[in-house]
Amino acid sequence: EVQLVESGGGLVQPGGSLRLSCAASGFTFSSYAMHWVRQAPGKGLEYVSAISSNGGSTYYANSVKGRFTISRDNSKNTLYLQMGSLRAEDTAVYYCARPVCSSTSCFPGGYWGQGTLVTVSS
Amino acid sequence: QAGLTQPPSVSKGLRQTATLTCTGNSNIVGNQGAAWLQQHQGHPPKLLSYRNNNRPSGISERFSASRSGNTASLTITGLQPEDEADYYCSAWDSSLSAWVFGGGTKLTVL
Repeated sequence: EVQLVESGGGLVQPGGSLRLSCAASGFTFSSYAMHWVRQAPGKGLEYVSAISSNGGSTYYANSVKGRFTISRDNSKNTLYLQMGSLRAEDTAVYYCARPVCSSTSCFPGGYWGQGTLVTVSS
Repeated sequence: QAGLTQPPSVSKGLRQTATLTCTGNSNIVGNQGAAWLQQHQGHPPKLLSYRNNNRPSGISERFSASRSGNTASLTITGLQPEDEADYYCSAWDSSLSAWVFGGGTKLTVL
């Protein structure tokens, strides 16, 4: 069974930093690209960042580019999101997600963790 | 959120059929179609369908996705109380080289 468990969220002051983790199990972690998606309170979903299966390629939404860094440790089956220069508008539940693929295409949001809440406030 | 437009809310009666829509431009929906996710309050999203109508295992056949031009649709037949949730569409935006989400539709089952 695919399991994704996020951790590391919490209350942080504006300008501060936080590192989120996503522990994966139930599948061959090193075979999949992985993704972070966030959801501000009462709002919709926002695609934040992605990393290829070997970590060689990354993507960032414009809203977080230059402030967030995605990484992974395939030996530990863990995905990370290092968040810096945090702003109030970064307040959200952060989900990690694993793709689901058919023979012809993939979608990044196939499996989701329960999410971890990040609150940026003084 | 730019790119995909969904109606904010839809209300239908128990056992009726609801059709939710998602409109984008040719760089998005018209290219590879859309995925649909369901989210109940306080829970993570759950994938219902991707690339128009590929359903992950365990997803009821009551959920059916389709596309016509730049509009993707999710049809839910035989509405049940547990279908009351937020529904999001998502697709690859080739102009941004990124996945984008619609703003979501809140489905109310009366």
